[in-house]
Amino acid sequence: GAGVSQSPSNKVTEKGKDVELRCDPISGHTALYWYRQSLGQGLEFLIYFQGNSAPDKSGLPSDRFSAERTGGSVSTLTIQRTQQEDSAVYLCASSPQRNTEAFFGQGTRLTVV
Amino acid sequence: GDSVTQMEGPVTLSEEAFLTINCTYTATGYPSLFWYVQYPGEGLQLLLKATKADDKGSNKGFEATYRKETTSFHLEKGSVQVSDSAVYFCALSDQGGSEKLVFGKGTKLTVNP
Repeated sequence: GAGVSQSPSNKVTEKGKDVELRCDPISGHTALYWYRQSLGQGLEFLIYFQGNSAPDKSGLPSDRFSAERTGGSVSTLTIQRTQQEDSAVYLCASSPQRNTEAFFGQGTRLTVV
Repeated sequence: GDSVTQMEGPVTLSEEAFLTINCTYTATGYPSLFWYVQYPGEGLQLLLKATKADDKGSNKGFEATYRKETTSFHLEKGSVQVSDSAVYFCALSDQGGSEKLVFGKGTKLTVNP
């Protein structure tokens, strides 16, 4: 009955390192989203998974970013060769079906030093 | 493509003042419309929603009416409280369109006692 869970809650990494961010959606939710929120900014869409359909990757900012969703549940967002501009809060959300409200996790705050 | 434009603010009001945050949208299909709120230090949560034209969403004294003729979903509250201080995001999910949740840039509201 838990909500969307993201880990880690905070991550500090050195420039050039790879990072993996994890999202556990609410059980049974078919849709999963990743967004990025920079300090004082709005929500930047990254990627959207819906059931078994091909993901909408149109928001990924570069080929250093990738995401997968295994077994229609857990998702991992990977950022390779991190840059300082990647520093942000990465938010995951899930929805029970199309066109319904999304439930958000608390986010992972990524700091690249 | 689908998009949401909202008043960027920041907005500063005195307690018990009337609040309007404007939101207009562009969509190719039949969108559902949402307002999300992010209180300081907390995650995003759904405030209210409307799924078809002329629907009114309401919660915690906030209201928004889905106006197809003006493609708008303005958020209103008759008497704001200090506890309403937060960032408010307008969003849509477009059935028949991209389906993913598209957000506006957010409006920061500060209510002073």
